[in-house]
Amino acid sequence: QVQLVESGGAVVQPGRSLRLSCAASGFTFSSYGMHWVRQAPGKGLEWVAVISYDVANKYYADFVKGRFTISRDNSKKTLNLQMNSLRAEDTAVYYCARALRQGYNYNGFDMWGQGTMVTVSS
Amino acid sequence: DIQMTQSPSSLSASVGDRVTITCQASQDISNYLNWYQQKPGKAPNLLIYDASNLETGVPSRFSGSGSGTDFSFTISSLQPEDIATYYCQQYDEVPLTFGGGTKVEIK
Repeated sequence: QVQLVESGGAVVQPGRSLRLSCAASGFTFSSYGMHWVRQAPGKGLEWVAVISYDVANKYYADFVKGRFTISRDNSKKTLNLQMNSLRAEDTAVYYCARALRQGYNYNGFDMWGQGTMVTVSS
Repeated sequence: DIQMTQSPSSLSASVGDRVTITCQASQDISNYLNWYQQKPGKAPNLLIYDASNLETGVPSRFSGSGSGTDFSFTISSLQPEDIATYYCQQYDEVPLTFGGGTKVEIK
C-alpha cells in the first residue's frame, strides 16, 4: 500500500526539542524529494522544509532555519524532522509529503501523510 | 519570497453552480502552480498540477488555467462532496508558498 505515516507529535514546553518521523511504503522512496508542511489550528498550509531524493540538498523556511533539521534514511524509507528551540507559534499539524513526480524535488506534493500534531505550550 | 494572493477567502454556492477561485502571484511563475483540496480533518489532496493538468483520478469538473501571475481554478458544477478548502501553491522557487485558501460551502 502506497502511504506515508507520521509519528512523534506531542505536547512539549517552549524551548524543548522534538523529533518527527515519517515512514514511507509502497513506492521507491529514494527516488522522490520529501517535504514537511505544517498547518496551525484553523490556519492555512505552510511549507517547512525539503530534502532532495539523493540527500544532496536541503532547504528550509526562514521561520525554522537554524532550529529545524530535515533528514532521511533511504535504506529505512524514513523521513525525519528534528525540531529544536520550539516556540508556541510552531504549534501545528505537521504533514510529510512526497514531491510531485519521481526524480523531482521542488514541484509540489502528490502524496501526504495523515499528519501528526505538535503542541508547544507551558 | 513569492506571495500568493487567493480570492475569495470563502464562498457559498448552490449545487450545480459554476465556482471560480483566483490566485495571483507576486511575480511571474510561468505555469509552476498547483491546486489542492483539503476536507476538514484530512490531509490536502492534489487536484491540478502545472496550472492546468488534471491529476489522475480527479473528476473532470475541476479545471485550472493561467500563466505568469494570474491563475484560476474552476468547479464546473459544484457537488456536495466538493465542500472543502482549496489552496493554490507555487513551485517556481523555494520557499514553496501557498495561497491563503478558499473555503467553499453549499448555499
